[in-house]
Amino acid sequence: KQEVTQIPAALSVPEGENLVLNCSFTDSAIYNLQWFRQDPGKGLTSLLLIQSSQREQTSGRLNASLDKSSGRSTLYIAASQPGDSATYLCAVYYNNDMRFGAGTRLTVKP
Amino acid sequence: DAGVIQSPRHEVTEMGQEVTLRCKPISGHNSLFWYRQTMMRGLELLIYFNNNVPIDDSGMPEDRFSAKMPNASFSTLKIQPSEPRDSAVYFCASSLGTGAYGYTFGSGTRLTVV
Repeated sequence: KQEVTQIPAALSVPEGENLVLNCSFTDSAIYNLQWFRQDPGKGLTSLLLIQSSQREQTSGRLNASLDKSSGRSTLYIAASQPGDSATYLCAVYYNNDMRFGAGTRLTVKP
Repeated sequence: DAGVIQSPRHEVTEMGQEVTLRCKPISGHNSLFWYRQTMMRGLELLIYFNNNVPIDDSGMPEDRFSAKMPNASFSTLKIQPSEPRDSAVYFCASSLGTGAYGYTFGSGTRLTVV
């Protein structure tokens, strides 16, 4: 059974810092990996989608990498802002199923 | 496109009542997923449909839960009778194919059973 783990569970940083969120998965036979953002009381907003054949995707200040062989993905956020405060979820798609990590709750302090 | 649309946004009901949650997927998406999110268990897949046909309902917790997709633009998740432990946020998501191009989520329905 595919397990998805996100570390750390919570992270607090001062504004302006660069930071990395981690996601690991147990089965490397994935089709893609998707990073989502969830604000309190809101739905999930897709940030980046990395296909299994890709190694990274970038969108603005966000960069996501994928290393299938080691079962790891990272989400890099450059020059963090208070508006980046949210929970970030990693989801792995494989075998007609998508598994979610428990998320990392990020707080960026002004 | 307006995205995945769910209704209602909030639902408060008494234990034992029937609850119906609704979802309109993105036009052209042929897969639809129902998830439940709680603090204790995170996001759990309840059921998914492909081309309006239920493919995997192994996540449906009990017979009290049922889901239908009568056409490509509408799905319902029904709980009858509802119980306090059903209180959660229920999300609907849709995708092209079965997820190889990523999922798009709705805003969710926050259900409170008292």
